[in-house]
Amino acid sequence: EDQVTQSPEALRLQEGESSSLNCSYTVSGLRGLFWYRQDPGKGPEFLFTLYSAGEEKEKERLKATLTKKESFLHITAPKPEDSATYLCAYYTGRRALTFGSGTRLQVQP
Amino acid sequence: NAGVTQTPKFRVLKTGQSMTLLCAQDMNHEYMYWYRQDPGMGLRLIHYSVGEGTTAKGEVPDGYNVSRLKKQNFLLGLESAAPSQTSVYFCASSGDRGTETQYFGPGTRLLVL
Repeated sequence: EDQVTQSPEALRLQEGESSSLNCSYTVSGLRGLFWYRQDPGKGPEFLFTLYSAGEEKEKERLKATLTKKESFLHITAPKPEDSATYLCAYYTGRRALTFGSGTRLQVQP
Repeated sequence: NAGVTQTPKFRVLKTGQSMTLLCAQDMNHEYMYWYRQDPGMGLRLIHYSVGEGTTAKGEVPDGYNVSRLKKQNFLLGLESAAPSQTSVYFCASSGDRGTETQYFGPGTRLLVL
């Protein structure tokens, strides 16, 4: 059965303290691995799509990478405004995106 | 360009009441989706549509109906609300290929008493 697991559930960092969020997946026929950011009381906001192992994408302090079993969202020198829930999701060509339960990130000044 | 909009933002229902949630998108997208989000369970797909006049079931369709009479609108109906349907509902849309980015609306918070 296809599934995706995000870890940790919650992460607290000090401003400037770099870290990584993990998205492990077991999916047959992966056609895309997506990362979204969700702020409290708002809808998910698209960050990245990765299509094949070895692919990397960057946006400001965020960098997403993909292997055959997992994806990482690396956060370099985070700021308090990076605090949010980060969601990963996969697409196999059936139905729609399937989401993980997310990682709640809190960055303290 | 408003993107994806949802109405209402918040609603309280009594058990057994009915209501319709409206989603509208102005990006000329073919695909539209309805998700629900519950604590600790992530986003789960309720129903989706791959074009005007078409709908299909997602992961958790029971107790919900949908309609896509116009390309820009996707309606989610609850015929007889139950407390288990208390949730935050998100609508999303994407282009004419399923691998394209989904853009989400701001959500509707529903409380069923």
